[in-house]
Formats: sequence, C-alpha cells, structure tokens
Amino acid sequence: ETGVTQTPRHLVMGMTNKKSLKCEQHLGHNAMYWYKQSAKKPLELMFVYSLEERVENNSVPSRFSPECPNSSHLFLHLHTLQPEDSALYLCASSQEMRFVQYFGPGTRLTVT
Amino acid sequence: GQQVMQIPQYQHVQEGEDFTTYCNSSTTLSNIQWYKQRPGGHPVFLIQLVKSGEVKKQKRLTFQFGEAKKNSSLHITATQTTDVGTYFCAGNQAGTALIFGKGTTLSVSS
Repeated sequence: ETGVTQTPRHLVMGMTNKKSLKCEQHLGHNAMYWYKQSAKKPLELMFVYSLEERVENNSVPSRFSPECPNSSHLFLHLHTLQPEDSALYLCASSQEMRFVQYFGPGTRLTVT
Repeated sequence: GQQVMQIPQYQHVQEGEDFTTYCNSSTTLSNIQWYKQRPGGHPVFLIQLVKSGEVKKQKRLTFQFGEAKKNSSLHITATQTTDVGTYFCAGNQAGTALIFGKGTTLSVSS
C-alpha cells in the first residue's frame, strides 16, 4: 500500500533537538490526522485537519506543532521532546472526517 | 465526551478456536468501523457498518452493529495464525472524527 507515505520511518533524537515528521497522501483526500501510538494508549488522536484547516487539537503539548501546507501534505514539527514522547507516530487520511481512514506505515520515534 | 470501549484487551486462543471482541459506545453512532493492525504494522480498514442491526461477513469474520447503534462485535470463527494482531473498532457521530477503541490484541498458538 503506497496511498499514505511517512518519512522518516525511524527517528532517534535528543531532548534538545528539533525534527519534523512528514506525511504525504496520494488519495485525493480532504482530511488528515496525526496519531500517537504507545503501549499505554494504543491510538491517541493528536490533530485533525480538514480542507487544510485544523479542526481538532486534543490537548497536545506545544512541543508538537502540526502544519498542513496543502491537502496532500502534513507535517509534525518536534522540539524539546521528553523521553515519554517515544512512540509510533501514525499519519492517516480520509475523504472526509467520518469516512474510512487510510494509515501510513508510521514513524518510530525514540527520544533519548 | 464520546467514548468507545473495547473488551477484552487481550485474548489468547488455540488455533481453531473462535474469538470475539466487543465494542461499546457511550453515545449513538452514525457508523462503526473495524481495523486490524498486524504486529509491526499499521491499522488497516476491514469494514464499516452503518445500519441498525447490520451484520456483515468476510470469510471467517462476522461483524455486527447493535440495534441501538451503540455497540458492535467482531467474531472470528476457527482462528488461524494469520489472524494475530490488534483489532480496533472506531465510531463517530455525524461531523466528528473517528474515536478509536483501545483495541483487542489476539494471539493464536498452533
């Protein structure tokens, strides 16, 4: 499946680093999502964008900053992360918000 | 706020046994979706149920949507080792994003 791609697939960063996660969808969808998946909270919705506007921000710390420059691309900018932020970060897209979501392969993030 | 609860959290079965996971919502849902995530993979859409009382089958998998549109179940008949993974239900009300349950992780021993 190559409908939703994510880069990088693996990332190790120190707590003082700044990095960005990239997501691209080739499905012509209008909604895009960032999820955090860890052992304790399997699928945590972080941000939702619909037609390039942020429509949901589920109490995510400001050290995570999303950006949606167009309907095909979604970024998650990371800075001064904590070790507990280590997780799998999944991007997904859907035609509209309540429709079926297609997930990317995820970025495995480790914060040291 | 809306919550989607899923039980059990973990289930281990012998190959050939049946398996069921249950999903319950605190509110009436417009639809419910089921996803499967294989170990090391990402969630992949399985099916969507929209109508009250709806039942759909995919080979050995049977999906049900409750009459009140507040609960759903996934039943696997005669599990195989290829069924291992985490099964998530996800529901929403009109105009909102999907809310995922915490998933049921199925392990199968041969």
